[in-house]
Amino acid sequence: GENVEQHPSTLSVQEGDSAVIKCTYSDSASNYFPWYKQELGKGPQLIIDIRSNVGEKKDQRIAVTLNKTAKHFSLHITETQPEDSAVYFCAASIGRGSTLGRLYFGRGTQLTVWP
Amino acid sequence: DSGVTQTPKHLITATGQRVTLRCSPRSGDLSVYWYQQSLDQGLQFLIQYYNGEERAKGNILERFSAQQFPDLHSELNLSSLELGDSALYFCASSKSTDTQYFGPGTRLTVL
Repeated sequence: GENVEQHPSTLSVQEGDSAVIKCTYSDSASNYFPWYKQELGKGPQLIIDIRSNVGEKKDQRIAVTLNKTAKHFSLHITETQPEDSAVYFCAASIGRGSTLGRLYFGRGTQLTVWP
Repeated sequence: DSGVTQTPKHLITATGQRVTLRCSPRSGDLSVYWYQQSLDQGLQFLIQYYNGEERAKGNILERFSAQQFPDLHSELNLSSLELGDSALYFCASSKSTDTQYFGPGTRLTVL
């Protein structure tokens, strides 16, 4: 099956700085890549996603890039704020066969934004 | 608020017992997914249902089973519980096979 690796596991930044989280995947058939933010005691919240026919997607301070050749994708958060502090998960989905729709998750990145 | 609801929020039970977790998907979503989140395994896919039928199975133990009812709500049944089953259990829903929205989860503690 698919294997998703995520780095770093922890990330501390000063308020206003940028944060970058990187993920790699193993199965070239993966074609959907969502990012989730999970705050303490809550469920994962979808913040942005990208499909394999797109190289980059932006939504205000959040952007995601995808490199299909290298099989990696990244989350970029600009002008970070203390409320961005949370655990961020990347995921990949293989759009075929019996695994259709199933999400394979990275291990998460604990982002801390210091005021 | 994702629109996905899960009950109960917390569940404390003893080893050997059986529990049922309930999930109501977002209005109009036909797919329901169950995931388990633990410190050692991370977020792991358990099982998926689409419009009442099982669509895909992940690393789901034989002691665990699920079903999706005609009104599209789903239940995850966990039996012969062990200490290692203590985890957060999340339900997610989607209209088709991507863009999954997660519920708030059920925290299961097995003593």
